Amino acid sequence: GEDVEQSLFLSVREGDSSVINCTYTDSSSTYLYWYKQEPGAGLQLLTYIFSNMDMKQDQRLTVLLNKKDKHLSLRIADTQTGDSAIYFCAESPPGAGSYQLTFGKGTKLSVIP
Amino acid sequence: DTAVSQTPKYLVTQMGNDKSIKCEQNLGHDTMYWYKQDSKKFLKIMFSYNNKELIINETVPNRFSPKSPDKAHLNLHINSLELGDSAVYFCASSPRGTDGYTFGSGTRLTVV
Repeated sequence: GEDVEQSLFLSVREGDSSVINCTYTDSSSTYLYWYKQEPGAGLQLLTYIFSNMDMKQDQRLTVLLNKKDKHLSLRIADTQTGDSAIYFCAESPPGAGSYQLTFGKGTKLSVIP
Repeated sequence: DTAVSQTPKYLVTQMGNDKSIKCEQNLGHDTMYWYKQDSKKFLKIMFSYNNKELIINETVPNRFSPKSPDKAHLNLHINSLELGDSAVYFCASSPRGTDGYTFGSGTRLTVV
């Protein structure tokens, strides 16, 4: 987690957009991931982006990658109460470490009805 | 049909005891992992096995010993449990590298 930074909390109103930000340090990371963890559950892969892409859209989710600033963001459009969870950013270093994901500390998203 | 299953889901035990957590995946993946999530939700890798061979062994106390009898199973044995071992332990698997990681639902270990 010391190499991947995220803000710890985010609160939004239902129907608004949520933007969760992440900064990472390993510029050679091949893939960057967003995982969702609901209370009492494991981690569920939401989406990922390859390092040669700037943007990826998947229904209500938009991932933006700024390689120069090592900044990754996840935008959730029309946020619903079911989106309340902890969102983890993760990077995949190349080489022998490619088997390992380095996670941020997670951003707890609270959706206010 | 659960893809990555861990047992038990909850484990409460006294300090000094020895306990095991089991993990099984039915996805045909070659690589399996153990991650630890502490009370602040910080996730850190502990071990990784590829085809029953240890490939990542992060700095964890040697009281923690993983065992992989076959590539579908990766168990975690913990000796002489300490209060600081209380955490949620997640098993995961992937077909190759970090692509397609699938996590189990976690084992909440409480040491009293």
